[in-house]
Amino acid sequence: SQQGEEDPQALSIQEGENATMNCSYKTSINNLQWYRQNSGRGLVHLILIRSNEREKHSGRLRVTLDTSKKSSSLLITASRAADTASYFCATDARIQGAQKLVFGQGTRLTINP
Amino acid sequence: EAQVTQNPRYLITVTGKKLTVTCSQNMNHEYMSWYRQDPGLGLRQIYYSMNVEVTDKGDVPEGYKVSRKEKRNFPLILESPSPNQTSLYFCASSPRLGWQVETQYFGPGTRLLVL
Repeated sequence: SQQGEEDPQALSIQEGENATMNCSYKTSINNLQWYRQNSGRGLVHLILIRSNEREKHSGRLRVTLDTSKKSSSLLITASRAADTASYFCATDARIQGAQKLVFGQGTRLTINP
Repeated sequence: EAQVTQNPRYLITVTGKKLTVTCSQNMNHEYMSWYRQDPGLGLRQIYYSMNVEVTDKGDVPEGYKVSRKEKRNFPLILESPSPNQTSLYFCASSPRLGWQVETQYFGPGTRLLVL
């Protein structure tokens, strides 16, 4: 099973609405990162939140981290058509002696005009 | 401009013909990594390198080799490509904070088709 799993797998909303994506993970982490990927392109870093932080903001993005529940959420407020993309969470953790950044399978977000 | 470059961007090859995908970063990052992305499977790590001459296997290393002779370069080698290695490949680099892997900077991707 995956270290990081996003929920939902796909999300379709109207422009201007808020979009919330969730990420769950299994092991202790150093930090959790969110990335955006436009179709077939490289991933772009959005936010990094450390294990001792609970909430972080960047423009219209808000990320929360609950280490007791091993979960994180990404909120995009006042969505725009340009926000249409896939969003991935990635956890930095030491797994079986190896330092790994493990990605979930992503949430496909579609913003309808 | 700070960036990660990959070459080639697109490659069609035949089974068994050795190939190398180059990756270079100009940010003096210690950590570099290769991923493959397949539909429905997300990104999976192939190999990573914590520093020069230090490499380690990721989750799907079979059929791949890497080397890290210089800090800026981290080539991915397919000694004998097979059709199941058809995929979209990404190289990434990041600084390190102790053992932590910080923000990753991704290259534009290499789309590989093995016939």
